[in-house]
Formats: sequence, C-alpha cells, structure tokens
Amino acid sequence: KNEVEQSPQNLTAQEGEFITINCSYSVGISALHWLQQHPGGGIVSLFMLSSGKKKHGRLIATINIQEKHSSLHITASHPRDSAVYICAAAGPAQGGSEKLVFGKGTKLTVNP
Amino acid sequence: NAGVTQTPKFRILKIGQSMTLQCTQDMNHNYMYWYRQDPGMGLKLIYYSVGAGITDKGEVPNGYNVSRSTTEDFPLRLELAAPSQTSVYFCASSLSETQYFGPGTRLLVL
Repeated sequence: KNEVEQSPQNLTAQEGEFITINCSYSVGISALHWLQQHPGGGIVSLFMLSSGKKKHGRLIATINIQEKHSSLHITASHPRDSAVYICAAAGPAQGGSEKLVFGKGTKLTVNP
Repeated sequence: NAGVTQTPKFRILKIGQSMTLQCTQDMNHNYMYWYRQDPGMGLKLIYYSVGAGITDKGEVPNGYNVSRSTTEDFPLRLELAAPSQTSVYFCASSLSETQYFGPGTRLLVL
C-alpha cells in the first residue's frame, strides 16, 4: 500500500465547477505539500501545510492531522487549471531538510 | 535568477553506458534533491544533499551516485545504465520548506 494515496486519479470538470482533490497518508509527517505538474512536465509547489487551511487565489488547501487527510480545492475552475496535482507527505531528514513521499497524482482536465 | 537548471533535456543511452545528469541552482539553497518519475507512479527520492560535501540516500539510490562539491551544483551519475533507469529525472532545491524544481531530464535506456 502506498504511504500517500490520492483520489480521484482522474477528474474531468466543466469550467466554473468547484473541484476537490483528496490526499490520505499513513506516515507521520512534519508537513504536507501540494504541487502542480503542468502538461509540459514542469513542477511547481503550491502549498505547504502543517495544520489548518491555506488559501492562494482560487486554491484552498486544508489538512486534518488527526485523520491524516488533506484536501485541495479549486473554486471557479478554469481550463488553465488543467494539470496533474500531486500531494506529498514530508518527513524529517538529515540536517534539517525533509524527505517527501509523493502520491501518484490526480490528473485534472477542465473543459470550457 | 535562472532558478534550477538541468541538462540535458533528453538523452538516449545504451545499456551499460554511463552519464552524468547536471543540476545547478543559483538561489544559494542548502538543500538539493534528485527524484525520478516513472509513468503512473509518484516521484521517488534518489539522493539528497544538505550542503556542500554532505549527501545521503533516498528511497531508490541503487545504480546512482551523487556528489556536492559546491552549493550550486548537484550532479547525478549513472555508472552502468539499465533499462530500469528509463525515467524522467527532476532536480530540486530548497532553503527551508518550498522545493523549487528543475525542468527535468528525460532519459531512455535501450
């Protein structure tokens, strides 16, 4: 069993819809990351959460430490949001760095 | 700032050949990482470094070597390429929490 599970694997939405992507993890973590991988392959960090909720524009990320669960929400989705969204659980590593364990990603397609 | 740069973008290797994937960052980050991404799988950590001269193994280090002689550079070496090393390789760097990723190197071993 993968230590980080995402659902759904694939998601198709119509422009304007509210999107939710879920992430469950089975390991102890110091933080939870959400990343976006563009269709061209580039990867960008969206959020790092250790508790509660963070918002950036139309993106909202929440985490429930007790339930080991995080969600990424996209409000008023747009075709440019089409990408793979990746959840990663962070654990401590040498020298203050962190090791990330990644989910397999959720491929989001937003149709106009 | 160029951020994190990787070369080459794409390479085909024959089984048994060796090569070095280059990674450079100009943000003065202490932490650097190498990941591989296989189709349908999550990214996996190969090696990481917390500063010049200090490296450590990640989840899938077999078949790879790294060195960190400067803060800027973190090359990944494949000594005897195998088909199982066909993948997309990403380098990343961070100062604390946010990791900044390079554009990736696509490697095909035939």
